[in-house]
Amino acid sequence: NAGVMQNPRHLVRRRGQEARLRCSPMKGHSHVYWYRQLPEEGLKFMVYLQKENIIDESGMPKERFSAEFPKEGPSILRIQQVVRGDSAAYFCASSSTGAYGYTFGSGTRLTVV
Amino acid sequence: TQLLEQSPQFLSIQEGENLTVYCNSSSVFSSLQWYRQEPGEGPVLLVTVVTGGEVKKLKRLTFQFGDARKDSSLHITAAQTGDTGLYLCAEGTDKLIFGTGTRLQVFP
Repeated sequence: NAGVMQNPRHLVRRRGQEARLRCSPMKGHSHVYWYRQLPEEGLKFMVYLQKENIIDESGMPKERFSAEFPKEGPSILRIQQVVRGDSAAYFCASSSTGAYGYTFGSGTRLTVV
Repeated sequence: TQLLEQSPQFLSIQEGENLTVYCNSSSVFSSLQWYRQEPGEGPVLLVTVVTGGEVKKLKRLTFQFGDARKDSSLHITAAQTGDTGLYLCAEGTDKLIFGTGTRLQVFP
């Protein structure tokens, strides 16, 4: 019974490139959340999705960032034209009910050089 | 915007000691969760508390939710090296607001 799977675990991109982070939720979970953890800072909410719908994207930067959770396949967090300030750990979490605790993945550590 | 402050920020203790970490809010919690995060991994849910005054135990960990639901504490009895990690409180349901964290180091 696999947990939340994120890949890649580590991603290095040059400034201006695109980063695509993937998240497969736990089996049976239809709610997916993305969080970002900047060095020496806490976890910050980015976006909440259900299948084919963005429910809450209030934590997403207005430009360059987008997220999707298609009917088939993993959820994708896309960062276009990455800058050094995007370097962080990005965590995906899933739940079955949308309430009272999630299961987090191991994260993708993005480094922009 | 709700702020969750955790104290202490850092804690370094010897194996076998007891400790308490705190989570305080500027407003009333709807519910509160405690997570532990180890280096290089995602947070792992320890407990969810919902009712004011609630006390939950998980082996050597005791979680308390304040009567007014604006504060919570986590007490660890006889700490072990395996308890080392970042302890995070979080409030909310669909969108969690995380606290600043307490980084615990337990030495043998």
